[in-house]
Amino acid sequence: AAGVIQSPRHLIKEKRETATLKCYPIPRHDTVYWYQQGPGQDPQFLISFYEKMQSDKGSIPDRFSAQQFSDYHSELNMSSLELGDSALYFCASSLKGTVLNTEAFFGQGTRLTVV
Amino acid sequence: AQTVTQSQPEMSVQEAETVTLSCTYDTSENNYYLFWYKQPPSRQMILVIRQEAYKQQNATENRFSVNFQKAAKSFSLKISDSQLGDTAMYFCAFIHPVNRDDKIIFGKGTRLHILP
Repeated sequence: AAGVIQSPRHLIKEKRETATLKCYPIPRHDTVYWYQQGPGQDPQFLISFYEKMQSDKGSIPDRFSAQQFSDYHSELNMSSLELGDSALYFCASSLKGTVLNTEAFFGQGTRLTVV
Repeated sequence: AQTVTQSQPEMSVQEAETVTLSCTYDTSENNYYLFWYKQPPSRQMILVIRQEAYKQQNATENRFSVNFQKAAKSFSLKISDSQLGDTAMYFCAFIHPVNRDDKIIFGKGTRLHILP
């Protein structure tokens, strides 16, 4: 079965550069969540989208922005990267209005390293 | 605000033993869902088990079962006949699916080591 696809899997950027992370949800899923997990930390919620509109916002820096496109894939744009942005970025998807609404399926994550 | 607390940062048990991971949560809501996620060294997030708050029966998935005490807001995970492959970080998580605000809230995690 198709799962949540994230690209790239690994990314190395220098300070002050920009990075774009992509997430392709499970087919027919209409909701996407982004999480940031630092080394040894629990996942922190960044932002979510439902039907291409932002539905909730967590501890996402102003340097970051995200959007969900017409095909439901989502992109997380990170500018002016800082060393502290180095983390594993998870994307999860779910389908509202069904029992699957309560089960978010996670991608394998993008490991971002800022040097 | 909802919170999830895992009081055991790290645990170790011998292979084939049974281990219980603790989780408590705080919410004023009545309808919600609880999860246990496993994160192995690969750091992939894998759903282990799910419990609907309106169901009194504890969820079970093979060697994994939960003890859900709604009044006490407790949601512990029991792993029976533990295996080396169970070594991972385990996150307890909560979701209250209301309208569009249904983000998953994670606990800090419990690092579980299964010893040979």
